[in-house]
Amino acid sequence: DVKVTQSSRYLVKRTGEKVFLECVQDMDHENMFWYRQDPGLGLRLIYFSYDVKMKEKGDIPEGYSVSREKKERFSLILESASTNQTSMYLCASSPAGAPRGTGELFFGEGSRLTVL
Amino acid sequence: QKEVEQDPGPLSVPEGAIVSLNCTYSNSAFQYFMWYRQYSRKGPELLMYTYSSGNKEDGRFTAQVDKSSKYISLFIRDSQPSDSATYLCAMSDYNTDKLIFGTGTRLQVFP
Repeated sequence: DVKVTQSSRYLVKRTGEKVFLECVQDMDHENMFWYRQDPGLGLRLIYFSYDVKMKEKGDIPEGYSVSREKKERFSLILESASTNQTSMYLCASSPAGAPRGTGELFFGEGSRLTVL
Repeated sequence: QKEVEQDPGPLSVPEGAIVSLNCTYSNSAFQYFMWYRQYSRKGPELLMYTYSSGNKEDGRFTAQVDKSSKYISLFIRDSQPSDSATYLCAMSDYNTDKLIFGTGTRLQVFP
């Protein structure tokens, strides 16, 4: 059974703290994505990666960075958390193949982050 | 104007009803259309995938695309309480690396 695992389901952090959200997939997928989901705004793409050590900015990268040192692992980093980063964060992966934007995404269960 | 518009609901229907969920979009280049289902406190999962125009059926679910009207629909027949979830439409074109998601419609099917 395919699986995308997000290490933390619920986190509470304070303003200014550095936050790491970890995502691991066991499907040998090339593509990995980080989204945030907010009521009324839907899913918004933060960053994505098509290969180890590469990254591309999504629609809302400000305040975030990512790391992909291994194929199966994609980390989202909030350098200095702010209250407007309180959200549900969803990691997803998809297999290689063109066109990239058209393949099925496999999502993790989400990490709900609250910044106080 | 958002690229993809979706009524957030909530939509509340009795068990056995036919449900119609819809999205409109503005980008005429979109060719790939998907419906994801998201249960509470879970990540979305792909439900239906359609390329270009036409209908696609899978069990109780039918996805319909009308490119001339820039309108897509998901029909659920004989709805069940287990269908209670948020339904997200998503779409893209050949030249983009990204899926564009609707905001989701929350559906509740009561016994």
